[in-house]
Amino acid sequence: QSALTQPPSASGSPGQSVTISCTGTSSDVGGYNYVSWYQQHPGKAPKLMIYEVSKRPSGVPDRFSGSKSGNTASLTVSGLQAEDEADYYCSSYAGSNNLNVFGTGTKVTVL
Amino acid sequence: QVQLVQSGAEVKKPGASVKVSCKASGYTFTSYYMHWVRQAPGQGLEWMGIINPSGGSTSYAQKFQGRVTMTRDTSTSTVYMELSSLRSEDTAVYYCARAGQLLSPLGDWGQGTLVTVSS
Repeated sequence: QSALTQPPSASGSPGQSVTISCTGTSSDVGGYNYVSWYQQHPGKAPKLMIYEVSKRPSGVPDRFSGSKSGNTASLTVSGLQAEDEADYYCSSYAGSNNLNVFGTGTKVTVL
Repeated sequence: QVQLVQSGAEVKKPGASVKVSCKASGYTFTSYYMHWVRQAPGQGLEWMGIINPSGGSTSYAQKFQGRVTMTRDTSTSTVYMELSSLRSEDTAVYYCARAGQLLSPLGDWGQGTLVTVSS
């Protein structure tokens, strides 16, 4: 099972929006609505930001939103803030033989 | 509050095995699945497998089949991940992470355990 494909980096100025893509196949992202997004600051454990494509856990700001079209899922961070600078990883259910596959990760920089 | 507390850093020689623990508290241990995820230095996240603490059933990523064993001890609310035949490429931070159902997201994470494989 190959990792999902994400751009290595993305950036935006404070207050702007940034969108990160996560491309898989019909066997993972395209086949199920079990796409999650995680934020990871340096030296810290990942934190769940979005699950089931577009749902936000309690406590996650509504500046974070998720969507999916075909084999590609996307995370949008609106109204960028300095604390949003982090690495972001998507993940997807990939069938009963490989329950979970992560994306390659995207480093978001707030300019 | 939910807490997942992992064991301390380990240094192992190539060919050895390592066993990392993850002690859970703040919730009913047998009601949540536990995943293991690793992250090599400067690299991305890699899913290793999952254990159901209720019955002990497991599912491992194909990459780790035959080398990883996940177990649990319900008396101490602890899950374990043992990785054998270690090689330098296994140097990574290993995380445990809790999920509500089999397909639920990983909502709570341990602090991570650094395993260094070096001769």
